[in-house]
Amino acid sequence: GDSVTQMEGPVTLSEEAFLTINCTYTATGYPSLFWYVQYPGEGLQLLLKATKADDKGSNKGFEATYRKETTSFHLEKGSVQVSDSAVYFCALDNTGGFKTIFGAGTRLFVKA
Amino acid sequence: NAGVTQTPKFQVLKTGQSMTLQCAQDMNHEYMSWYRQDPGMGLRLIHYSVGAGITDQGEVPNGYNVSRSTTEDFPLRLLSAAPSQTSVYFCASSYSLGGRAATNEKLFFGSGTQLSVL
Repeated sequence: GDSVTQMEGPVTLSEEAFLTINCTYTATGYPSLFWYVQYPGEGLQLLLKATKADDKGSNKGFEATYRKETTSFHLEKGSVQVSDSAVYFCALDNTGGFKTIFGAGTRLFVKA
Repeated sequence: NAGVTQTPKFQVLKTGQSMTLQCAQDMNHEYMSWYRQDPGMGLRLIHYSVGAGITDQGEVPNGYNVSRSTTEDFPLRLLSAAPSQTSVYFCASSYSLGGRAATNEKLFFGSGTQLSVL
């Protein structure tokens, strides 16, 4: 079945460092891909998405490109801030929105 | 708009007790779902609904019941709680009603219910 694999955390960075969180997926057809973020004590919220191959999703300085040839959707940010500390989830949907599949999540700590 | 509201925020149960986790949304979303979040496993889908009177199972439905009598509400029932059900539970909703375009729709999440079963 469909699945999402993302790098284990936690990831600890200093402020203004470059961030990459790896995400790869297994799916038939052409799923939509998402990154969700969970701040402490809150539910998940959509960070960005891409709906077809070579699409780039972007939001709040974060970017991810849908790479069908490598089945990847890596999250990047050029300069992280303390306020980016959170758990990041890679996800896919291939079911018309009924059964979104999530990765295990990657916790990011950013030090001042 | 309040969005997706979950109650309670915290709950401690003894093994064998029953309880209902409440979820309500005020966005007129047809689709609602329940996920559980466990360390190292991400979010796993328990049950979902595509409208009043329609529910279906997700990845981990055993031990949980749901019903959808109104568009707004989607309660999750634990009939006989077990320690394996200790988790954080999230309710989510979306505009999705299936079809290719619906794969692009995002989920709106509640703030979660932290459940401990002793």
